[in-house]
Amino acid sequence: QQKVQQSPESLTVSEGAMASLNCTFSDGTSNNFRWYRQHSAKGLEVLVSIFSDGEKEEGRFTAHLNRANLHVSLHIREPQPSDSAVYLCAVSASSGSWQLIFGSGTQLTVMP
Amino acid sequence: ETAVFQTPNYHVTQVGNEVSFNCKQTLGHDTMYWYKQDSKKLLKIMFSYNNKQLIVNETVPRRFSPQSSDKAHLNLRIKSVEPEDSAVYLCASSLTGGSDYTFGSGTRLLVI
Repeated sequence: QQKVQQSPESLTVSEGAMASLNCTFSDGTSNNFRWYRQHSAKGLEVLVSIFSDGEKEEGRFTAHLNRANLHVSLHIREPQPSDSAVYLCAVSASSGSWQLIFGSGTQLTVMP
Repeated sequence: ETAVFQTPNYHVTQVGNEVSFNCKQTLGHDTMYWYKQDSKKLLKIMFSYNNKQLIVNETVPRRFSPQSSDKAHLNLRIKSVEPEDSAVYLCASSLTGGSDYTFGSGTRLLVI
């Protein structure tokens, strides 16, 4: 069964410095990877969806996927205090599965 | 506005009561889901529903049941709630295959 782990649990960066979040998964046959952001007591906001190895950029958010290494990362360029939130990595349960398996999240704090 | 809509936002009830949460999507998707998010922000899939095919996560207690009238609606009923059911319940929808995965803003349940 797909297992997803995120690191670090929490991360504090200064405004303008690059923030990097990591996610590892156990089943490399998955083909659906997403990064979500959740502000306190709010719903999930999708940041980047990536379906093949390599890099995918959406504005200030860039995801890197390496299925051979069972790793997907998220890099946030020029983070702002409003980016402070919980960031969740989600991976499809298996190849072609519609169900997403989530990591436990990284709490990002951006200091002004 | 096209999105996933959930009601109510917040519900407080006593142990043993029955509750029902509504979810409607106006995105034209054909697959809907219910996820549970616990106090540590961990999200777990409960159900997925597509073309009248229901997939149930085996860890979901039998007091939980999804109810669908058409592909735009998937409600969640909990018979006889228990304290451990206190959580945020998130509804989502997607196209078949998992593309365009969109979440609602969630229903927060507190069982006292």
